[in-house]
Amino acid sequence: DQQVKQNSPSLSVQEGRISILNCDYTNSMFDYFLWYKKYPAEGPTFLISISSIKDKNEDGRFTVFLNKSAKHLSLHIVPSQPGDSAVYFCAARPPNTGFQKLVFGTGTRLLVSP
Amino acid sequence: KAGVTQTPRYLIKTRGQQVTLSCSPISGHRSVSWYQQTPGQGLQFLFEYFSETQRNKGNFPGRFSGRQFSNSRSEMNVSTLELGDSALYLCASSFPTSPTVSGELFFGEGSRLTVL
Repeated sequence: DQQVKQNSPSLSVQEGRISILNCDYTNSMFDYFLWYKKYPAEGPTFLISISSIKDKNEDGRFTVFLNKSAKHLSLHIVPSQPGDSAVYFCAARPPNTGFQKLVFGTGTRLLVSP
Repeated sequence: KAGVTQTPRYLIKTRGQQVTLSCSPISGHRSVSWYQQTPGQGLQFLFEYFSETQRNKGNFPGRFSGRQFSNSRSEMNVSTLELGDSALYLCASSFPTSPTVSGELFFGEGSRLTVL
């Protein structure tokens, strides 16, 4: 039972354009959502997060939007850079379990071409 | 500040064997968790330790076990290995957090296990 789904395994965009990565979830009790980025041969690194009580969080070129009614969140990267090419994982925290126990999606591979 | 260190980075085992993976968290971090990453399955939570106590456990069979030492270092063990256990095993550490603080896990580079 995949509670967090990233339906697009890959995404290609040109440098300077916007990248939009999407994530759907089924458990309305998730209270925190996070995005992680992973380069080959490295561990995932934290990118940005959003609480379930908010609908937007911005950090530089990265913005996460949360639509609770649709159980959908998205990560916008503007402008996209070749160094952003990586696998992006969406993750959600079940309530009352602490931040170590996260439910991850299967990832979306982003390729930003010059 | 040194990151999360996992050893070994790569290992090959045969079915039926057992394996022990090690994780040294970032200095000062007391929470350690383990995740399994397989193609098409994303990262799946195995277990979490805090101050030598297992605080959470994922949906994995009893062949998967772990422990944490007083210096916060952690080990995980998989017994009676199966082909499906081939995966990247990731360790993550963090400070103890409160529900109001955004959660950031610091991951190691992982131990890639191949079961033949």
